[in-house]
Amino acid sequence: EVQLVESGGGLVQPGGSLRLSCAASGFTFSSFWMSWVRQAPGKGLERVANIRRDGSEKYYVDSVKGRFTISRDNAQNSLYLQMNSLRADDTAVYHCARVGPGSATGNWYFDLWGRGTLVTVSS
Amino acid sequence: DIVMTQSPDSLAVSLGERATINCKSSQSIFYSSNNKNYLAWYQQKPGQPPKLLIYWASTRESGVPDRFSGSGSGTDFTLTISSLQAEDVAIYYCQQYYSTPQSFGQGTKLEIK
Repeated sequence: EVQLVESGGGLVQPGGSLRLSCAASGFTFSSFWMSWVRQAPGKGLERVANIRRDGSEKYYVDSVKGRFTISRDNAQNSLYLQMNSLRADDTAVYHCARVGPGSATGNWYFDLWGRGTLVTVSS
Repeated sequence: DIVMTQSPDSLAVSLGERATINCKSSQSIFYSSNNKNYLAWYQQKPGQPPKLLIYWASTRESGVPDRFSGSGSGTDFTLTISSLQAEDVAIYYCQQYYSTPQSFGQGTKLEIK
């Protein structure tokens, strides 16, 4: 079955760190750009970070630059998001998403999503 | 940054009737060099992740029922469900991928009347 399964979310204090993981299965993981997209409670969707197929290019939304790091392990079919210096406005469900095959760099839509993992930043 | 605005915020339609959701971008998302509109539509059912329905404004994703269709160009786009089914109850989002940061509409909640 083609799927993405996230893990690693939880409750963390402001200024803390968390590492999210995403396990991919049912498709050739190394052939696709991947992304993290978050959804704050009751709010809309926001792309957080993207990574090229081989990990050589990474892109971030301005609000997380310098705090979040996206990475991948193609041998393990896994995607990661290291989140440091967390703030209350980072509270959201974080979805792992596969970039559509017709996308070019900077023009990303998402053709497969995981259910997400909830990150709550609160004291 | 491009702002995406959907209308209406919520919509109630009778089973078997047509549902229409609109999406407007703050600037054109049409590339004349390849004649493509950089717009996608997603469906999110309660407790589930978003699901891609439409990309390039009008190309239906594999496996999506043909009652779903996308249209429009430039700054104005429409998602149409030709005959509403009970399983179509969801929140629908549009997304532009013409420029970074990619941006989503605020969502339209579709219910059964």
